[in-house]
Amino acid sequence: DVVLTQTPVSLSVTLGDQASISCRSSQSLEYSDGYTYLEWYLQKPGQSPQLLIYEVSNRFSGVPDRFIGSGSGTDFTLKISRVEPEDLGVYYCFQATHDPPTFGAGTKLELK
Amino acid sequence: EVQLVESGGGLVQPGSSLKLSCVASGFTFSSYNMHWIRQAPKKGLEWIALIYYDSSNKYYADSVKGRFTISRDNSKNTLYLEMNSLRSEDTAMYYCAKSNWGGGIFAYWGQGTLVTVSS
Repeated sequence: DVVLTQTPVSLSVTLGDQASISCRSSQSLEYSDGYTYLEWYLQKPGQSPQLLIYEVSNRFSGVPDRFIGSGSGTDFTLKISRVEPEDLGVYYCFQATHDPPTFGAGTKLELK
Repeated sequence: EVQLVESGGGLVQPGSSLKLSCVASGFTFSSYNMHWIRQAPKKGLEWIALIYYDSSNKYYADSVKGRFTISRDNSKNTLYLEMNSLRSEDTAMYYCAKSNWGGGIFAYWGQGTLVTVSS
């Protein structure tokens, strides 16, 4: 199975700061069709996860433009510029290029 | 508005069976692939099953293959997960999720239903 390694495990920020989360894959996530099926999800406390980013850098409907996904191959990053209170929670990267689809272990974003 | 509402969770003994349901509304259910994902207490997310929009294909995680069955009834806008031979390690919140053709494997999630396997 593809292993997604997220760093850091937790991240303490001040509101208004930028936050950056890394996701490294054990295999390239570029599929034979040329697309890279790497997504980012946020699970706020007590809630179901929600989709933020699909295909590395595409923001899902309603997701603010302070969320920026980037990367290629095996290295991916989610940047959150100007962290706001509603951004706190656990962030998961996810890949659907290889079977079975797998999640990273999560990165907890919390206030300093 | 897309809505997914899971039900059927509860406390069961090891070795027993349970059937979860996920009622969908706000979209044409029969046109979308659907998934089950679970989350053990204080743990991360684990994809466990996928069913195509027309039930033509079904896929499972190795951890549940042979014990769990995903199905759907498009006439009832309902997704199911039949779980047999339950083990303590199946204890988790179970979520159903809808795929988006335009991008997003788990574009919408339900609120989850909790399954606890314990004697």
